[in-house]
Amino acid sequence: DIQMTQSPSTLSASVGDRVTITCRASQSISSWLAWYQQKPGKAPKLLIYKASSLESGVPSRFSGSGSGTEFTLTISSLQPDDFATYYCQQYNSYPVTFGQGTKVEIK
Amino acid sequence: QVQLQESGPGLVKPSQTLSLTCTVSGGSISSGGYYWSWIRQHPGKGLEWIGYIYYSGSTYYNPSLKSRVTISVDTSKNQFSLKLSSVTAADTAVYYCARSQLVVAFDIWGQGTMVTVSS
Repeated sequence: DIQMTQSPSTLSASVGDRVTITCRASQSISSWLAWYQQKPGKAPKLLIYKASSLESGVPSRFSGSGSGTEFTLTISSLQPDDFATYYCQQYNSYPVTFGQGTKVEIK
Repeated sequence: QVQLQESGPGLVKPSQTLSLTCTVSGGSISSGGYYWSWIRQHPGKGLEWIGYIYYSGSTYYNPSLKSRVTISVDTSKNQFSLKLSSVTAADTAVYYCARSQLVVAFDIWGQGTMVTVSS
């Protein structure tokens, strides 16, 4: 299985901050990476697919980059609604696997 | 707008079989092009993909669960189902159904259903 490792595990930030989350794959996954946002008691919500493509309806302050084994999710200006847990997921090969999550907390 | 809804018992006894159904509304499973998955999340933990089914009935399971998992589809009811046998407390989790396309990953999710394994 391909292992996905996110960093940091927890991130404290303020409204308006630029936030970056990193995801590393244990082997190359080309650009087959997605990012999700999950709030407590809710299902994950797709934000980014194919590493950098913004899902319809997702605010443009979210962006993704990377290829191969290293990827980033950036929130350009953190908004109150963005405090949540973020997961990366590879879908280069089965079984698809997720990172362990990054919790974005209010500083 | 396609929506997914999980249903099934919230409590299952150890050694028994967990059975859940996902009902698809606003679109047809039979339309093709989509893969229908089950994903679970242990309390306070990350996400684990269980397996998928295509409308034709072809399946792929996570090798870590393969010996205990069966996913089936009923196109007449626009539903797909999960059976997980010989459950233990380690199978206690929120179970989600989700839709994916080859390029887009999991774009639509059900709300999730909590299943507790306990006697």
